[in-house]
Amino acid sequence: ETGVTQTPRHLVMGMTNKKSLKCEQHLGHNAMYWYKQSAKKPLELMFVYSLEERVENNSVPSRFSPECPNSSHLFLHLHTLQPEDSALYLCASSQGNGVASTDTQYFGPGTRLTVL
Amino acid sequence: AQSVTQPDIHITVSEGASLELRCNYSYGATPYLFWYVQSPGQGLQLLLKYFSGDTLVQGIKGFEAEFKRSQSSFNLRKPSVHWSDAAEYFCAVVQNTGGFKTIFGAGTRLFVKA
Repeated sequence: ETGVTQTPRHLVMGMTNKKSLKCEQHLGHNAMYWYKQSAKKPLELMFVYSLEERVENNSVPSRFSPECPNSSHLFLHLHTLQPEDSALYLCASSQGNGVASTDTQYFGPGTRLTVL
Repeated sequence: AQSVTQPDIHITVSEGASLELRCNYSYGATPYLFWYVQSPGQGLQLLLKYFSGDTLVQGIKGFEAEFKRSQSSFNLRKPSVHWSDAAEYFCAVVQNTGGFKTIFGAGTRLFVKA
C-alpha cells in the first residue's frame, strides 16, 4: 500500500470527450506530480505541484490541464485528446516541496488511458 | 543533455540465480541516483537511492547497487532472484543544480524462470 490512490484505474475515451483523472495522497506530503508512461519510452514528468502551486510544467499540450485544490488532491483534466495520448498516467507525491532533488517520490498505481 | 541508459530492454534469469541490471548516466556533476521497481498494474516503488558516501547502497527486497563514477554507472544487483522479483526496473537520475529534474531510463523488464 503506497498511500497514493488514483481513480479510475482504466479509462477509455473518444477524442471529443472530456474526462478527469484523480489522485489522492494519504501521506501528508507537500508535493504532487503527474507522469506519463508510454510503452517503451522513459517516464515523462508532466507537472509538479508544491503546496498547491504549480512549480514545473514540462511543455505539456494544453489539452492536459492540472488542478491541485489542496495538498492531498491532484486532478488531470483531459479534453480533445489524441490517440497518441494513450498511456499510463502516474501520480506521485513527496514530502518536500517538490524542488529538492533528494525527495523520494511515492507513486500511485496509475490510470491506464486509451484514446480512441 | 542529461540522459539515463538502461541497455537491456529485458532480461531472463533462473530463480535462485544472481542478477545485475545495468544503468549508465550522462551528467557532469555528482548525480542523485535511484532505482525503482514496477510490478504489473502497479506504480513505481523505490528500491534504493544514492546521494553521497558509501558507493555500495543497500535497498529493500535484498537489492543493492554500486555507484561507479569512473564508469558513470549505477548497476543494480541481487545475489539470488525470487519469482516475485519479476517486474520492470527503472533507473533514475536527479540533477542537483538547484532545479528539479528527474530523468528516468526506459526500463528493463525482468523475467524469472523456474
